[in-house]
Amino acid sequence: QSALTQPASVSGSPGQSITISCTGTSSDVGGYKYVSWYQQHTGKAPKLMIYDVSNRPSGVSNRFSGSKSGNTASLTISGLQAEDEAEYYCSSYTSSGRYVFGTGTKVIVL
Amino acid sequence: QVQLVESGGGVVQPGRSLRLSCAASGFTFSNHGMHWVRQAPGKGLEWVALIWYDGSNKYYVDSVKGRFTISRDNSKNTLYLEMNSLRPEDTAVYYCARDWEMSTRGLQHWGQGTLVTVSS
Repeated sequence: QSALTQPASVSGSPGQSITISCTGTSSDVGGYKYVSWYQQHTGKAPKLMIYDVSNRPSGVSNRFSGSKSGNTASLTISGLQAEDEAEYYCSSYTSSGRYVFGTGTKVIVL
Repeated sequence: QVQLVESGGGVVQPGRSLRLSCAASGFTFSNHGMHWVRQAPGKGLEWVALIWYDGSNKYYVDSVKGRFTISRDNSKNTLYLEMNSLRPEDTAVYYCARDWEMSTRGLQHWGQGTLVTVSS
């Protein structure tokens, strides 16, 4: 049950777009549509940003979008803002009925 | 609104036990699966356990299997995590999280967490 692979950090200037990848296997990301993305500010609880690969919960900015191709899911943040600086985690349902998180990506707004 | 409030954390010696609770409100608790997730200091999120809405199925990460037990009392709207044979590597903030209604699709709402420190 290995963690999904994410880049350690991604950076961008305000207004730019960035994309975070999340790579798993056919037993998790590639096999199911239950991929979610979470935002976590330092010292705070995680917050759901994307569910079922590409759906946004109510209240989440449409600057956040998700997609998947094969065993890799992606989170794109467009129009980057200072408040987007945080840690982001993907998660996926797995063939064993369990869940697995990604390694986490620090988003840095330059 | 959905509220999840964890309690029961604290400092415990290696090998001892601890029980965490998660009080739920603002939704029909018995319709939702529930998760425990932990985060060691300065580290990433680790999924720990899932119990289905009706308690019929339970799943655990390998590192806690046989030591931790997830359970729920739908009459009290409360989720539990019984942790036995605790190890220093179990030190973390433990979050409870709610899944989607009548299904498992992920972690929709999160509590604020409770800190467990395993140390002699």
